[in-house]
Amino acid sequence: AQSVTQPDIHITVSEGASLELRCNYSYGATPYLFWYVQSPGQGLQLLLKYFSGDTLVQGIKGFEAEFKRSQSSFNLRKPSVHWSDAAEYFCAVENNAGKSTFGDGTTLTVKP
Amino acid sequence: ETGVTQTPRHLVMGMTNKKSLKCEQHLGHNAMYWYKQSAKKPLELMFVYNFKEQTENNSVPSRFSPECPNSSHLFLHLHTLQPEDSALYLCASSQSGTVGSNEQFFGPGTRLTVL
Repeated sequence: AQSVTQPDIHITVSEGASLELRCNYSYGATPYLFWYVQSPGQGLQLLLKYFSGDTLVQGIKGFEAEFKRSQSSFNLRKPSVHWSDAAEYFCAVENNAGKSTFGDGTTLTVKP
Repeated sequence: ETGVTQTPRHLVMGMTNKKSLKCEQHLGHNAMYWYKQSAKKPLELMFVYNFKEQTENNSVPSRFSPECPNSSHLFLHLHTLQPEDSALYLCASSQSGTVGSNEQFFGPGTRLTVL
């Protein structure tokens, strides 16, 4: 069975600082990987996804993520965080049968 | 309307009430999902429907009863709920629920409070 671990429950960064959110997965084959963002009281919105090809993927709002098979990781990065990036971030892995598993989420706080 | 819509956005109900949550997707997708999101708990998948057929029931109590009359509509019928059922209920859809490479599109959720 697949699983996703987001080791950081809560991260605080200063506005303008760089950001990295960690995601580790467990799955026997090449996974489909996703990062979603959830603003308070809202549903989840897709930031980016990895299916195959280039291991560095670009997403919306200036986010990027890198798939590292050797480390079973798919970390999310942003060079300069904006106050509006404060939200909860979910990493998800999907198997070949279309079944998705979500991580527990990382809450991002942005300090002015 | 575009994307995935959910009504009502907020619902307060007593433990003896019967109510229904509605989800509609305008994306032409074939799979629809119900998730429960409680405070300080991970996202919990409840049900999955593919082409109107239920393909997953994640050990959900029978006081939650889903209905999928067509690929665009999904309901969650609620009866005799408990206070611990208070949560944000999210609906999502995807092109397929049986093969990989599907991103899910989420509605804004229904915030349910059970008194």
